Amino acid sequence: GQSLEQPSEVTAVEGAIVQINCTYQTSGFYGLSWYQQHDGGAPTFLSYNALDGLEETGRFSSFLSRSDSYGYLLLQELQMKDSASYFCVGRTGGFKTIFGAGTRLFVKA
Amino acid sequence: DAEITQSPRHKITETGRQVTLACHQTWNHNNMFWYRQDLGHGLRLIHYSYGVQDTNKGEVSDGYSVSRSNTEDLPLTLESAASSQTSVYFCASSAGGQLTDTQYFGPGTRLTVL
Repeated sequence: GQSLEQPSEVTAVEGAIVQINCTYQTSGFYGLSWYQQHDGGAPTFLSYNALDGLEETGRFSSFLSRSDSYGYLLLQELQMKDSASYFCVGRTGGFKTIFGAGTRLFVKA
Repeated sequence: DAEITQSPRHKITETGRQVTLACHQTWNHNNMFWYRQDLGHGLRLIHYSYGVQDTNKGEVSDGYSVSRSNTEDLPLTLESAASSQTSVYFCASSAGGQLTDTQYFGPGTRLTVL
């Protein structure tokens, strides 16, 4: 089957760095995306890794290793507003996507 | 500014009724998607379309149908609503590409089937 596994919850302190891991089992894998979703809101795009390596966008970085079927999202200089759910998303077969169950990030003062 | 809208935002219906959820995007994107999200879960793909007259089944397509008559709209129809279809429904669109995969999501429709 096709699936993506990520931790259900992560807690970190404001100003710290947190890493959210994602391992996947998918056929026809094209790449890995990350989305953020605040309670009651819609998912918003953070990053996409089509190739192995690190992609950096401001305080957020995402990494992909195809050989390990593994990726992660790194959030630096955590802020209270970063408290949200984060989803890793596998792209398979064209533009079809499969979402992980999500990681709930709690940022404490 | 380009956007993606959904209507209605909230809907309550009865078991067995037909329900249609609207999705409209002004991004001029070829790709459009419908997802459902249940409490505490990720999004599951219902149907998707890569262009006009193209529709494809996702992982949870039973009981749902879509049609794509133009670029802007992808309405989702529940043929005979069931209580198991109570959920939040999100529509999304993307331009697609080899090195990009940004999906833009609508605000969601909260559907309750009694």
